[in-house]
Amino acid sequence: DGGITQSPKYLFRKEGQNVTLSCEQNLNHDAMYWYRQDPGQGLRLIYYSQIVNDFQKGDIAEGYSVSREKKESFPLTVTSAQKNPTAFYLCASSPNLWRDLQSSYNEQFFGPGTRLTVL
Amino acid sequence: GIQVEQSPPDLILQEGANSTLRCNFSDSVNNLQWFHQNPWGQLINLFYIPSGTKQNGRLSATTVATERYSLLYISSSQTTDSGVYFCAVDSSSGSARQLTFGSGTQLTVLP
Repeated sequence: DGGITQSPKYLFRKEGQNVTLSCEQNLNHDAMYWYRQDPGQGLRLIYYSQIVNDFQKGDIAEGYSVSREKKESFPLTVTSAQKNPTAFYLCASSPNLWRDLQSSYNEQFFGPGTRLTVL
Repeated sequence: GIQVEQSPPDLILQEGANSTLRCNFSDSVNNLQWFHQNPWGQLINLFYIPSGTKQNGRLSATTVATERYSLLYISSSQTTDSGVYFCAVDSSSGSARQLTFGSGTQLTVLP
């Protein structure tokens, strides 16, 4: 089965702790993304990666860190510096960035998400 | 940055009714996607539609890029259509693709 997996599904964290959310894809997609969703709102971009060993900040990167050591994996660490980390986190991927701007290769596909609660 | 507005914010329908959801955006876009978020939070791709019209079963979508809006049509709605519908646009320049999401339309279909 091809797809995007995220783990864990639910995560509870104490204040002051760092936690790492996993995102794996076996779609052979080049680009991967992390979004955050707060209740009743749309998604906001945290970080994205176009290629292995490269990643860029999105709109709300403060308090988060990422790595892209393998094409299939794009883990997100929520650090203690993130002031309000309780949210729903979604990972996405798209086939290939290096194409025509309107190509369907830019279509993004999403994983099932991780719900993070800070206690 | 680009602004994305969706309307209506909430919609309640009786099963079998038709509906139209609207997405307005403030600048030219490279691509536009419609998603359905189910009650478990999963985002399901409905359409990739930077321009033109597409249909998939009871759903269809039209994007008029020159007038900066897109419409999602749902015909003969079913209870399983309930959830939040998001429009997301990419207006980024350069090689990076970034989606900006609207706030969504919460659809409830009653049996």
